[in-house]
Amino acid sequence: AQKITQTQPGMFVQEKEAVTLDCTYDTSDPSYGLFWYKQPSSGEMIFLIYQGSYDQQNATEGRYSLNFQKARKSANLVISASQLGDSAMYFCAMRDLQAGTYKYIFGTGTRLKVLA
Amino acid sequence: DAGVTQSPTHLIKTRGQQVTLRCSPKSGHDTVSWYQQALGQGPQFIFQYYEEEERQRGNFPDRFSGHQFPNYSSELNVNALLLGDSALYLCASSLQTGITTNEKLFFGSGTQLSVL
Repeated sequence: AQKITQTQPGMFVQEKEAVTLDCTYDTSDPSYGLFWYKQPSSGEMIFLIYQGSYDQQNATEGRYSLNFQKARKSANLVISASQLGDSAMYFCAMRDLQAGTYKYIFGTGTRLKVLA
Repeated sequence: DAGVTQSPTHLIKTRGQQVTLRCSPKSGHDTVSWYQQALGQGPQFIFQYYEEEERQRGNFPDRFSGHQFPNYSSELNVNALLLGDSALYLCASSLQTGITTNEKLFFGSGTQLSVL
């Protein structure tokens, strides 16, 4: 069965520093996608970054990068130059990309607090 | 460009009652998914609607039902409410492109349901 594990319930980072949020996953499917979403206190889930299981390079989107280690089944999110507005819940998610599968599996999230 | 809109934002019901939550997808999107997010947890997949049909369902009882209208908007109905149904209900929309990796989910801010 597919599973996402986020072992850090909460993290603190100083403004302008980098922070890594951990995510490990489990699946027996060869084709899958990994996602990171940000959830501010407003509740809306905001897409940050995507990594496909067959992508050779790690994904990057502005200050966000995904450290994808397929053999270790990890997909850690790196946020560079943290800003106060980065304070939020962060969720790692996975989707099986085989035909007929549409659901996303989410982890329990990591609450990030950026300190001034 | 309007994003995903959900109504109402908050709702209080008592056990045994029925509730209907509404979602309008992002402009141009044709697929709607519903997720339940209990306090301190990640979102759990309820079901997805495409072309007015339920395409995939998560591990939720038949008390949870839905509908998609020709304009792609959707409703989530929950009958015989239980205390455990208290959660944030998130609607997400996407566009079927045939290229799975491009089918990112865009979320609304959710409906906070409290069952007393």
